[in-house]
Amino acid sequence: GQQLNQSPQSMFIQEGEDVSMNCTSSSIFNTWLWYKQDPGEGPVLLIALYKAGELTSNGRLTAQFGITRKDSFLNISASIPSDVGIYFCAETQGAQKLVFGQGTRLTINP
Amino acid sequence: DTGVSQNPRHKITKRGQNVTFRCDPISEHNRLYWYRQTLGQGPEFLTYFQNEAQLEKSRLLSDRFSAERPKGSFSTLEIQRTEQGDSAMYLCASRLRAGGTYNEQFFGPGTRLTVL
Repeated sequence: GQQLNQSPQSMFIQEGEDVSMNCTSSSIFNTWLWYKQDPGEGPVLLIALYKAGELTSNGRLTAQFGITRKDSFLNISASIPSDVGIYFCAETQGAQKLVFGQGTRLTINP
Repeated sequence: DTGVSQNPRHKITKRGQNVTFRCDPISEHNRLYWYRQTLGQGPEFLTYFQNEAQLEKSRLLSDRFSAERPKGSFSTLEIQRTEQGDSAMYLCASRLRAGGTYNEQFFGPGTRLTVL
């Protein structure tokens, strides 16, 4: 089963608003990855984090690797319609398989 | 297109039939992973290969499932005697190299399996 707690499970926002979601774990990991998945498609990698405290941006997206190495957050600024989708955090165990959170479903009201 | 490709994209089968899916990873990626995703959940790990060697299998991979990567390039995932509970999206991912600090896996579009 899943080992990461991702919240919120869903978000309903207005276009232009900022979005924040996070992921927590009971274990320490050395890599956090954030993916976005559109319906019927595979996950697309957004941001990868490798160091505790690391803050990384990719356009309007910003993600941080928590200082305790047990959490991470993803922010989206000035949301647009194409941001709609499901966002997953994932971490690696032994640099091999990925373990995913349950996902945050983002819906944007026009 | 140099991304991960999967075929077929959709498969509908009757319970008890065998199905096979194919994954072509990004060129020169030596690690290849299979995941399964059910509705409303994140992907769950099934198995992975380093080159042609299958290095780990999840407990989710029952004896009806078999995966191969005979030449270290493309991989196939076969499900024998399919059950309705096998209905899911089957995702393939690849990664550039083993070891190091870069653990980024790149996913294909998936194969949606529906077992009637």
